[in-house]
Amino acid sequence: GAGVSQSPSNKVTEKGKDVELRCDPISGHTALYWYRQSLGQGLEFLIYFQGNSAPDKSGLPSDRFSAERTGGSVSTLTIQRTQQEDSAVYLCASSSRTSGGQVDTQYFGPGTRLTVL
Amino acid sequence: EDQVTQSPEALRLQEGESSSLNCSYTVSGLRGLFWYRQDPGKGPEFLFTLYSAGEEKEKERLKATLTKKESFLHITAPKPEDSATYLCAVQAGGYQKVTFGTGTKLQVIP
Repeated sequence: GAGVSQSPSNKVTEKGKDVELRCDPISGHTALYWYRQSLGQGLEFLIYFQGNSAPDKSGLPSDRFSAERTGGSVSTLTIQRTQQEDSAVYLCASSSRTSGGQVDTQYFGPGTRLTVL
Repeated sequence: EDQVTQSPEALRLQEGESSSLNCSYTVSGLRGLFWYRQDPGKGPEFLFTLYSAGEEKEKERLKATLTKKESFLHITAPKPEDSATYLCAVQAGGYQKVTFGTGTKLQVIP
């Protein structure tokens, strides 16, 4: 079936503008994660959704970052008043529990490359 | 706080030259350790999940092993198409958060 999709693939914006990044998870996956990957860095956890609720927002770097998920499917990550340090690749992953219900094997989208000028 | 450290940061191999990548972790209550492959400009691609010490999994030229403190990704007779960044990640305790290492960038020279 279809994998995780993200849009846009690339976004160039000016400092101070707001941006919205979209993630379409694999159909039927209940969990959705957002990560940020800066050049040469590892994946930085931002937020996790189970269904439409976000029990773990601990990774959001500031109150300029917010995310929502509707209908247990599509998620949007919004960055307000963008700064140059927000430039990075934003990755979305979705998962469903293994049959043993132990861990969440995540499947990633291709990412959105955000450049703030 | 969960910590994942990968070594080396970069590895250059001749085609056919076998080697291993290391992932050391410090967590409380490991539930799963993951290996991913990431090609430039793409999202990580899932390779393996390991659940407990002593477990091993294989896929083509790759074999992942797990101890109580670290995991190894063994690459046997690598080919140029194995060139990528290999990421290790853990999920532990009662949390859904997955913590990633910074990866090992592998280059296989023909």
